[in-house]
Parts: sequence; structure tokens; C-alpha cells
Amino acid sequence: GAVVSQHPSRVICKSGTSVKIECRSLDFQATTMFWYRQFPKQSLMLMATSNEGSKATYEQGVEKDKFLINHASLTLSTLTVTSAHPEDSSFYICSAASGGAYSYNEQFFGPGTRLTVL
Amino acid sequence: DAKTTQPNSMESNEEEPVHLPCNHSTISGTDYIHWYRQLPSQGPEYVIHGLTSNVNNRMASLAIAEDRKSSTLILHRATLRDAAVYYCILITGNQFYFGTGTSLTVIP
Repeated sequence: GAVVSQHPSRVICKSGTSVKIECRSLDFQATTMFWYRQFPKQSLMLMATSNEGSKATYEQGVEKDKFLINHASLTLSTLTVTSAHPEDSSFYICSAASGGAYSYNEQFFGPGTRLTVL
Repeated sequence: DAKTTQPNSMESNEEEPVHLPCNHSTISGTDYIHWYRQLPSQGPEYVIHGLTSNVNNRMASLAIAEDRKSSTLILHRATLRDAAVYYCILITGNQFYFGTGTSLTVIP
């Protein structure tokens, strides 16, 4: 199946700093990429949907100025957590859909990035 | 926004079949039913999906009720590597909204 990678896999940063997480589709072109957040013992929560070359669509309650998403190419999307605080510590997961975001398309998930803000 | 209901946890003996149920009574005619699973500290992995008819692949089978208000994921022979959280997801439009899922424990 299609492979999605994330980098870094784990990051620890100080409060107030910004952290960038990369999501790459390695063997296919991802028209649409998604970003999720998962707290311990909880389910995944969709944060935003991004289409290549256009602005991301954020879910209700997700601050677009705090979680900056860039989807500059068909194989790369980035999530930047700006001015991170301890409550932003979480497991961030991206996914990609090759044929666009249609309900019959499966999504290919990355391995996740564990962010810890001290 | 999750529109599915699953048991929080289930147990199965190794080498035996497992039936994981999912209720989705508010499903609309165009909603696809997807199943994913997530191992600890990993991203979710696609298992199977369907619309109306039962589906089979190398990983599992998906049985969809005639009224589409429920479905069952069938693992034919559970192995220790199948221990994971299994999510049943209705795809509405283009977003995935995960419910709480079922944590499957496989007993050796």
C-alpha cells in the first residue's frame, strides 16, 4: 500500500517555541492531506483538511493562527505549532488521500509525531 | 461528530474468529463504512471499507446489514498482531471522524 512518512517522529521543545512537523507521501501524489491530534487514551480528532495549493480548512475549535498548515506540493504538507505550550503536547498524525477527499477513498496514515512541550 | 457506536473493548483467543460490531443507525445513503485499526503509538492502518455489499480482503471481511444501520468486521483467525484499537468510521463528505473504537485483546 501507499506509504506516508512523518518527520520528526518525536520532538521535545520548550514552551513558547515553534515546532514544524512534515508529512510526506512517498510513492503517490496526495491531492488532499489531513492532520489529526490524539491525546493519551483518546481517539483521533481531525484538526484540518488541506488541498494542494490552497488554504487549509480547519475544524471548529482549532486555531488556524496557532496550527499553521502548508500544502505546497502533492507530496508534502507541514504543520507548524506556533508558540507551543504544554497543553499542545500530543500525538500528531497526518494522512493522505490520493484520489482526492472522496468518501470511497481510503486514507493512508503516517506513523505520527509525539510532541512534548516542557 | 462521530456517528458510530462500538463496544469499548473485546477479547478473543488466538487462532479464533473475532466479530467486531458497529452500529451506525443514522447512516445516509451515500456514506461509506470504513474500518481502520491502530496499534499503540502508531498511525491508523486501513483494514477494509464498503457501501452496501459484504466485502472481503486479505485482512478481514466486512458484513453490512441489509438496512446498513450496522456492520461487523470479521477477523477470521485472530493473531497476537491483531491486538489493536479498531475504528468503524462513516465517511461523510470528505472527512473522517473517528469514534472511540474497540480495543481488541488477543489472548494467547
